[in-house]
Amino acid sequence: DTGVSQDPRHKITKRGQNVTFRCDPISEHNRLYWYRQTLGQGPEFLTYFQNEAQLEKSRLLSDRFSAERPKGSFSTLEIQRTEQGDSAMYLCASSPRQGRETQYFGPGTRLLVL
Amino acid sequence: DAKTTQPPSMDCAEGRAANLPCNHSTISGNEYVYWYRQIHSQGPQYIIHGLKNNETNEMASLIITEDRKSSTLILPHATLRDTAVYYCIVRLRGAGSYQLTFGKGTKLSVIP
Repeated sequence: DTGVSQDPRHKITKRGQNVTFRCDPISEHNRLYWYRQTLGQGPEFLTYFQNEAQLEKSRLLSDRFSAERPKGSFSTLEIQRTEQGDSAMYLCASSPRQGRETQYFGPGTRLLVL
Repeated sequence: DAKTTQPPSMDCAEGRAANLPCNHSTISGNEYVYWYRQIHSQGPQYIIHGLKNNETNEMASLIITEDRKSSTLILPHATLRDTAVYYCIVRLRGAGSYQLTFGKGTKLSVIP
């Protein structure tokens, strides 16, 4: 399967703990996006990378959230001091070069904060 | 990006065509119309996109009105596996804003 992969698929944690999610984009896609989706809502944009550079961040991305893409390949999204309001599906997407910008999504990581 | 308006839900009989409407009356000439769908507990799946002309691929057809203020996604022969939330999204073409702005979409139920 050459699609976007995310790990883990599910995560249960206690309030106050740190969690880290990983996204592996489609090979040779230089753009990578993170979205968050809460129950009953559409996905909301969090941040975007072109290669290793983080070019855009939503105001939803509080200072407890940090995303990296160190070598321009896989990306990690870390949430520090989790809160119950962080419970959501975290989605990763990737797209190829400019001019072919369709985003392809992974299966998501479902986070539950107790 | 222009806003979109979709009905919250629709039903379609299995084997019939599903026609999902979307209004985007404030769309600019430099904005694409994208359609994604999301089957329960999965990530969104790209379906089709277009700028001005009608488009067709193996999944669906996209009909865009001449004034570009509305569009219709057509699933020609709906199956039970097409039950999903369908999102119509308008986004800028080319460099600039890359994020997709999702609304609440249309929940399509395909009925046996």
